[in-house]
Amino acid sequence: GDSVTQMEGPVTLSEEAFLTINCTYTATGYPSLFWYVQYPGEGLQLLLKATKADDKGSNKGFEATYRKETTSFHLEKGSVQVSDSAVYFCALHPSGNTPLVFGKGTRLSVIA
Amino acid sequence: EPEVTQTPSHQVTQMGQEVILRCVPISNHLYFYWYRQILGQKVEFLVSFYNNEISEKSEIFDDQFSVERPDGSNFTLKIRSTKLEDSAMYFCASRPTAPNEKLFFGSGTQLSVL
Repeated sequence: GDSVTQMEGPVTLSEEAFLTINCTYTATGYPSLFWYVQYPGEGLQLLLKATKADDKGSNKGFEATYRKETTSFHLEKGSVQVSDSAVYFCALHPSGNTPLVFGKGTRLSVIA
Repeated sequence: EPEVTQTPSHQVTQMGQEVILRCVPISNHLYFYWYRQILGQKVEFLVSFYNNEISEKSEIFDDQFSVERPDGSNFTLKIRSTKLEDSAMYFCASRPTAPNEKLFFGSGTQLSVL
């Protein structure tokens, strides 16, 4: 079945460091791909998405490119801030009204 | 921005007891979901609800689980006889219409079964 695998956390970085959180997926057909973020004490929020191959989603300095050839959707940010500390979830939406499939989440801690 | 509201934020119960987790989705949304995350594991889909009926459910959503939208605003998840392994964070979500529109999630209810 469809699945998402993302790198294990936690990830600890210093402020202004470069961030990569790896995400790979297995799916039949052409899923849409998402990154959700959960800040402490809050619900999951959509961070960015890409709906077809080679699309790049971007928001708040974060980017991810839908790579069909490597079945990947890695999340990157050039310079992280303390306020980026959160849990990041990679997810895919197979098609139609089927539900989202999530990865385990990666906790990011950014220290000043 | 409108938000999905879940109550309570924490629920502690004894094994075998019934619990009801409550959610108020965003008012003009049509699709409603429950997900859960056991500590250290993936966020897992439980059930989706549309037009006052279940549209899809996972293997986890067995006869011990039920959902209701009793009054057009609340969306509840009931676990009839809780088990230790039901301990998890339960997330409610809703979306307006189109499948690729984003889900709006609540902040979750942490259920602890003792």
